[in-house]
Amino acid sequence: DADVTQTPRNRITKTGKRIMLECSQTKGHDRMYWYRQDPGLGLRLIYYSFDVKDINKGEISDGYSVSRQAQAKFSLSLESAIPNQTALYFCATSDRTGSGNQPQHFGDGTRLSIL
Amino acid sequence: SQQGEEDPQALSIQEGENATMNCSYKTSINNLQWYRQNSGRGLVHLILIRSNEREKHSGRLRVTLDTSKKSSSLLITASRAADTASYFCATDGAGTASKLTFGTGTRLQVTL
Repeated sequence: DADVTQTPRNRITKTGKRIMLECSQTKGHDRMYWYRQDPGLGLRLIYYSFDVKDINKGEISDGYSVSRQAQAKFSLSLESAIPNQTALYFCATSDRTGSGNQPQHFGDGTRLSIL
Repeated sequence: SQQGEEDPQALSIQEGENATMNCSYKTSINNLQWYRQNSGRGLVHLILIRSNEREKHSGRLRVTLDTSKKSSSLLITASRAADTASYFCATDGAGTASKLTFGTGTRLQVTL
């Protein structure tokens, strides 16, 4: 079983719809992240959470919201989807660290298309 | 904005050859990490090098770090077709509250 599971794997929806992408992990990590990947732009951080009560905006948080329902669950919502949010979305986790980042562990992504 | 920039953007080699990818970054770092992404899959961590380290090895991988030039390189020796993937560097910038910033990646194609 995958350590970091994202659902759904693929989603096609229409402009204006509300969409939720879910992520669950069995690694026991405190830290969770949401990224989007666009061709030629690498990964950009949307939101991150260092524990259940800690939510932080990343580089491109506008148009997105998140919920950390439990240590193991971190969901990303698009309140009113627009076509330029079409992208590949990744959830990642990492362990708590004393100094410097530990490696991140990624799910296999959700391919989201907004028509 | 991307902290790391990989070079080249794409690289095509034959099986058995070595592949070298470079990463340049802009600000001070705690560490630099390299990741691999197979088509349609999530990123997989390969190796982490701390700012006080100059070279690190893991199997067929060799990573160097030059903090004075703000650059790193990833060498894959004796490449295999299964090494075909995109490779990303990610920097853990000093004072960035433990966030990673990813580069735009190098796409490696290894042909038989």
